[in-house]
Amino acid sequence: DAMVIQNPRYQVTQFGKPVTLSCSQTLNHNVMYWYQQKSSQAPKLLFHYYDKDFNNEADTPDNFQSRRPNTSFCFLDIRSPGLGDAAMYLCATSAGGGKVAFFGQGTRLTVV
Amino acid sequence: GQSLEQPSEVTAVEGAIVQINCTYQTSGFYGLSWYQQHDGGAPTFLSYNALDGLEETGRFSSFLSRSDSYGYLLLQELQMKDSASYFCAKGGGNTPLVFGKGTRLSVIA
Repeated sequence: DAMVIQNPRYQVTQFGKPVTLSCSQTLNHNVMYWYQQKSSQAPKLLFHYYDKDFNNEADTPDNFQSRRPNTSFCFLDIRSPGLGDAAMYLCATSAGGGKVAFFGQGTRLTVV
Repeated sequence: GQSLEQPSEVTAVEGAIVQINCTYQTSGFYGLSWYQQHDGGAPTFLSYNALDGLEETGRFSSFLSRSDSYGYLLLQELQMKDSASYFCAKGGGNTPLVFGKGTRLSVIA
């Protein structure tokens, strides 16, 4: 059974058109992460939530925002996608104090 | 800083043993973990070390030396399906998980 679910798996958006990626979890973990991964590169941390506490990485572009309305759901909003934002976006969760992160299958974003 | 250093590529023969090294900067260090990622897939957890020493999980083992800011992943009895990217990552507890640049392992016959 999928524990971290990302929708959609593939998203095509137009240059400059706002897009939202979603993530849900059935693990009841209090930590949620968003990563951006470009081809042949490491996952790059964009944000993480510890419960409702939001933590933004210093180099995350202002174009990227996130919402976590409850424990189970987290959203990544890209306000004005550019061609450079095309990537795989990975959501992950972990239990606070835990050592393991569980990843969703990712959403591959294409910007046209 | 956040950085973790690991080799970019490693090639090994089926049935052999391979070691992938990782050095890290100690700021924000809580533990060192290892993830496997096949092309097009999501990272999956392999192993974690918070204390010095060796952790063994089947064919995979991981080692940590906190005094040396160094760890490694050891893969034994390599199989073709082990061809993937392997990432060391630091974090855990209340610190976010940050990944190294990854090592692409190619297993050849």
